[in-house]
Amino acid sequence: DGGITQSPKYLFRKEGQNVTLSCEQNLNHDAMYWYRQDPGQGLRLIYYSQIVNDFQKGDIAEGYSVSREKKESFPLTVTSAQKNPTAFYLCASTLDRAYTGELFFGEGSRLTVL
Amino acid sequence: QQQVKQSPQSLIVQKGGIPIINCAYENTAFDYFPWYQQFPGKGPALLIAIRPDVSEKKEGRFTISFNKSAKQFSLHIMDSQPGDSATYFCAASKDDKIIFGKGTRLHILP
Repeated sequence: DGGITQSPKYLFRKEGQNVTLSCEQNLNHDAMYWYRQDPGQGLRLIYYSQIVNDFQKGDIAEGYSVSREKKESFPLTVTSAQKNPTAFYLCASTLDRAYTGELFFGEGSRLTVL
Repeated sequence: QQQVKQSPQSLIVQKGGIPIINCAYENTAFDYFPWYQQFPGKGPALLIAIRPDVSEKKEGRFTISFNKSAKQFSLHIMDSQPGDSATYFCAASKDDKIIFGKGTRLHILP
């Protein structure tokens, strides 16, 4: 079955630690996205990538980093510079930039900073 | 110019009722208006979408009404069921840009 796999589903981190969230897709989609979801805040774009080896900052990129070395993979690192990292993180993909309205989402990773 | 305003924030409806969720956008360049449904602990999933050249689209019990002149669109759920309880997000997109509303938490009472 084609889809997007995010791991881990739950993650706990101590303050000052970096953590990397995995996102893998087998949909052969060119474009991939990372969103952050907080209660009552909707979906806020962190980073997106429209092609391998290229990515752009979204609205709330500070304290985050990404890489896109393979078409299927778009990992997100939450660094210690992110002031309030506790949130639900969603990875998404779409066929290409022209289909941004038709996003396929993973099941999310919930990060809690202790 | 880039906002999508969604209301209400939360909604409780009796089973069989017709919940209505409203969204308003500002940028007339948007040309695709999807709705996403999200169950607790899951990622959102595309539910139904409309383009501005039509005023209404139905898929099963879900209907989008679109008012281009007012820059507003709404989601209606006919014969609502407890299984429809979820958070619903409207969005507006154009090319590589998509803006989401802040979501409506819908609860259907049995």
